[in-house]
Amino acid sequence: NAGVTQTPKFRVLKTGQSMTLLCAQDMNHEYMYWYRQDPGMGLRLIHYSVGEGTTAKGEVPDGYNVSRLKKQNFLLGLESAAPSQTSVYFCASSSGTRISEQFFGPGTRLTVL
Amino acid sequence: AQSVTQLGSHLSVSEGALVLLRCNYSSSVPPYLFWYVQYPNQGLQLLLKYTTGATLVKGINGFEAEFKKSETSFHLTKPSAHMSDAAEYFCAVSHTGTASKLTFGTGTRLQVTL
Repeated sequence: NAGVTQTPKFRVLKTGQSMTLLCAQDMNHEYMYWYRQDPGMGLRLIHYSVGEGTTAKGEVPDGYNVSRLKKQNFLLGLESAAPSQTSVYFCASSSGTRISEQFFGPGTRLTVL
Repeated sequence: AQSVTQLGSHLSVSEGALVLLRCNYSSSVPPYLFWYVQYPNQGLQLLLKYTTGATLVKGINGFEAEFKKSETSFHLTKPSAHMSDAAEYFCAVSHTGTASKLTFGTGTRLQVTL
């Protein structure tokens, strides 16, 4: 039981390049989330999904797109990376009630030059 | 709207000393509150949570937190710090409605010294 996994762990991009971050969970959770973590700002929600085929915007969605084609996977895309998107990205999943724990992946450290 | 405020971005304590990490919340409805811990180069993991019922909540690794509605607080404590407690701690509040979204505080980095 791997929990929540993220691919890749590290990535360096040049401004304008695109990339996709993959999140996978094996807990059969309905809800999945993408956050970014920046120093002094805590975690901020980028996008989330309440089930296969659904996505919604979070607090800081600009410059990102997501897809949830399969229940176990949640993809985060950057179409044209900018230095402001340098951050650590975390994926999480939960069973979906308000009291549910969110389970986090190990993170992806992205640097945009 | 729900929000949390964590006072102090850094806290340094000696091994064996009391740990007190502060969290105040704002919520238009009865809040559900969480404390998560992040060890270096890892994701977050749940320490404890308050939903309803007993206001003193016990978590893993000897941590506990007390929900005080009159003070809108949910401070995290541990009687005796251990070197292994060095990490960043985040308070979070659960949103109403669907999706069980969380709003996180800005975090407090705990340093434990000999």
